Amino acid sequence: DAKTTQPPSMDCAEGRAANLPCNHSTISGNEYVYWYRQIHSQGPQYIIHGLKNNETNEMASLIITEDRKSSTLILPHATLRDTAVYYCIVRARHGSGNTGKLIFGQGTTLQVKP
Amino acid sequence: DTEVTQTPKHLVMGMTNKKSLKCEQHMGHRAMYWYKQKAKKPPELMFVYSYEKLSINESVPSRFSPECPNSSLLNLHLHALQPEDSALYLCASSHAGTAYEQYFGPGTRLTVT
Repeated sequence: DAKTTQPPSMDCAEGRAANLPCNHSTISGNEYVYWYRQIHSQGPQYIIHGLKNNETNEMASLIITEDRKSSTLILPHATLRDTAVYYCIVRARHGSGNTGKLIFGQGTTLQVKP
Repeated sequence: DTEVTQTPKHLVMGMTNKKSLKCEQHMGHRAMYWYKQKAKKPPELMFVYSYEKLSINESVPSRFSPECPNSSLLNLHLHALQPEDSALYLCASSHAGTAYEQYFGPGTRLTVT
C-alpha cells in the first residue's frame, strides 16, 4: 500500500477555504485516495475518495494532481465544527474480496479559528 | 439510517471482569470492523468480519473475542484485560464491495483498573 505524508497541523480562519495536502508519490495505478476526519472524541467520518478525476460532494472537494502523486482536500468554507484530525489514506479499491483494512497515518490536525 | 451505534459509551472494568461491547448497524452492510484507538494515536484495526465470518484478526490477544451473531450486530467480548488495554474501541461497517468507505460508531471508552 502506498505511504502518505501529511503536515502534522494546520490553521484556517473560519469562513475561509481549508486546503489540506497529502503526498502519495508511490501510489499505484489501481489505488484510490480516501479522506477521513475525526472530530475530538468521536469516531472517524468518511469524507470523500477519488482515483484520478477531481471529486466533489456535499462535504468537500478532492483535487488529485495529474501524476497522482499528491492530492488536496478542500473544505470550501471552514467552520469551527470542521476542527478535527484529517486522514489521507491510499488503498486499492477491489471488489467483494477486498479486506477493508484501513491503515490510518498520523493525519493533519486542522484548527479552524474564529 | 446511516448510523452505527455502540454500547456502552463508557466502561470501567477490573482485570478479572468479563464484559462485552456491542455494535449495531441497519444499513445493510455485510462487513463490520473493530478498531482500537489509544490517546493521541490513530485508530488501529483489530478484526474484520465479512458476511458474518471473521476474515481478519490482526494478531489480537485472545482476551479479546469478537462475535458477529448476525449481519447487523457485532460484539467484542472482553476477559482478563490489562490496564494497557484501556482505549477507545471503535466499530465500523461498510458494504463488502466498498470496504474502504466505512461508517464508524462513536466508540466505547474503556478503562481497565
